Amino acid sequence: DGGITQSPKYLFRKEGQNVTLSCEQNLNHDAMYWYRQDPGQGLRLIYYSQIVNDFQKGDIAEGYSVSREKKESFPLTVTSAQKNPTAFYLCASSTIYEGAGWIAFFGQGTRLTVV
Amino acid sequence: AQKVTQAQTEISVVEKEDVTLDCVYETRDTTYYLFWYKQPPSGELVFLIRRNSFDEQNEISGRYSWNFQKSTSSFNFTITASQVVDSAVYFCALSESSWGGATNKLIFGTGTLLAVQP
Repeated sequence: DGGITQSPKYLFRKEGQNVTLSCEQNLNHDAMYWYRQDPGQGLRLIYYSQIVNDFQKGDIAEGYSVSREKKESFPLTVTSAQKNPTAFYLCASSTIYEGAGWIAFFGQGTRLTVV
Repeated sequence: AQKVTQAQTEISVVEKEDVTLDCVYETRDTTYYLFWYKQPPSGELVFLIRRNSFDEQNEISGRYSWNFQKSTSSFNFTITASQVVDSAVYFCALSESSWGGATNKLIFGTGTLLAVQP
C-alpha cells in the first residue's frame, strides 16, 4: 500500500542524548516535512525538503537536524540542544506541483518522551 | 501575516446532532488554498478537503459539508447527523505564501477536539 511510515511509534530519550526518528514514503512525492505537535498548539513546521539533498528550516528548527539523501527518506534527529523535546512528531509528504493539489499526506507519528 | 484561527477548542455533541467547526483565516494573497484534516486518536492526520481561493462553491461529501466565504475569510466545516466515529481533532490549514505566491507549506490552526457522545 502507498503511504508514509514513521518509526518508532514511541520513543524514550534520556537527557543529553540524540535520537533519530525515521520517515519513509512510497508515494513518489518530492516534498517531505516534519511537524511537531504539542497540546493546544496545533502543528508547527520543523524542517521541510522539496528535493533530494536540499532542505530548509521551518519555524522551530533549533535543536533539530535532518538529511535527505534519498527521495523516499527524511529522517529527523532530535539533538541534545533541543530543550523541550517531549512532543508528538508527524512526518508528511506532498507533490510540489500546484496543479497536483499540494495535498500533504501524513504518517502515524512518533511520540517522543524525555525520561 | 498569515494566520488560521479555530476558536472552538472543544465541542461535545450527542450522536445524530449536527455540528459546525469554525475556521477563520488571514492572508493578503489573492491565490491561496485551504484544507481540512481529521486527526483520530491513532494520531495520523487524514486529508478531508482542499479548496482554492477562486472556488467559493460549497461542497458536500456524504455527511460532511464545507462553507467557504471569502467575504468573511471563513471556511467552516459541518458534520450532519454526527456519529461516534467522528470523534477526533479537526485541523484547518492555509497554504503559506512567498514572493512567488502560494506555496506547498501549510499553516495550521490549533485544532478543534470534537467529542460525539453515544
